[in-house]
Amino acid sequence: DAGVTQSPTHLIKTRGQQVTLRCSPKSGHDTVSWYQQALGQGPQFIFQYYEEEERQRGNFPDRFSGHQFPNYSSELNVNALLLGDSALYLCASSLSRTVRTGELFFGEGSRLTVL
Amino acid sequence: QKEVEQNSGPLSVPEGAIASLNCTYSDRVSQSFFWYRQYSGKSPELIMSIYSNGDKEDGRFTAQLNKASQYVSLLIRDSQPSDSATYLCFFSTGGFKTIFGAGTRLFVKA
Repeated sequence: DAGVTQSPTHLIKTRGQQVTLRCSPKSGHDTVSWYQQALGQGPQFIFQYYEEEERQRGNFPDRFSGHQFPNYSSELNVNALLLGDSALYLCASSLSRTVRTGELFFGEGSRLTVL
Repeated sequence: QKEVEQNSGPLSVPEGAIASLNCTYSDRVSQSFFWYRQYSGKSPELIMSIYSNGDKEDGRFTAQLNKASQYVSLLIRDSQPSDSATYLCFFSTGGFKTIFGAGTRLFVKA
């Protein structure tokens, strides 16, 4: 049973560039949430996708956008990268019926470094 | 007032001791409470959930919830060096609003 997979695991970008991160949820899960985790901090909620729509969004600018595909996989796009976007980006999958209970399964994350 | 307050630590305990981790929250609507463990360089993993006031035990772990005082705690009995990690409290309001604490780093000394 495949867990949550994310790609790429590491990437380096320069300021102003754009990045796309990808996530495949755990088998049977239909909801994907994205988190940003800066060093030494807890994960910060970016947004959540269900049925190919953004269902909830955290306090992140419009430079952060996403998409969910019919197979439940998801992408996170960040435009006009800033140095402060350097972080670990975590994808978490869950079942829609459990999303309110917070039972999340995380991927190993994508480590983004912006130079 | 922050939505969730969690002592960042580090909390250092000797092997075999009880480690006590705490979180307070401000949103009284919060309904579901969780503890996630995150090893260095790894992603968080769910270790405990608690939904009603009182204690919930799972092996060496006990979660405690007091909604009136708006705090949740995690006790780790017989702490082992393998318990050394960052422990994140996590709340769900019952809608789709969720929030992580900043995490408490725990070191268990052999």
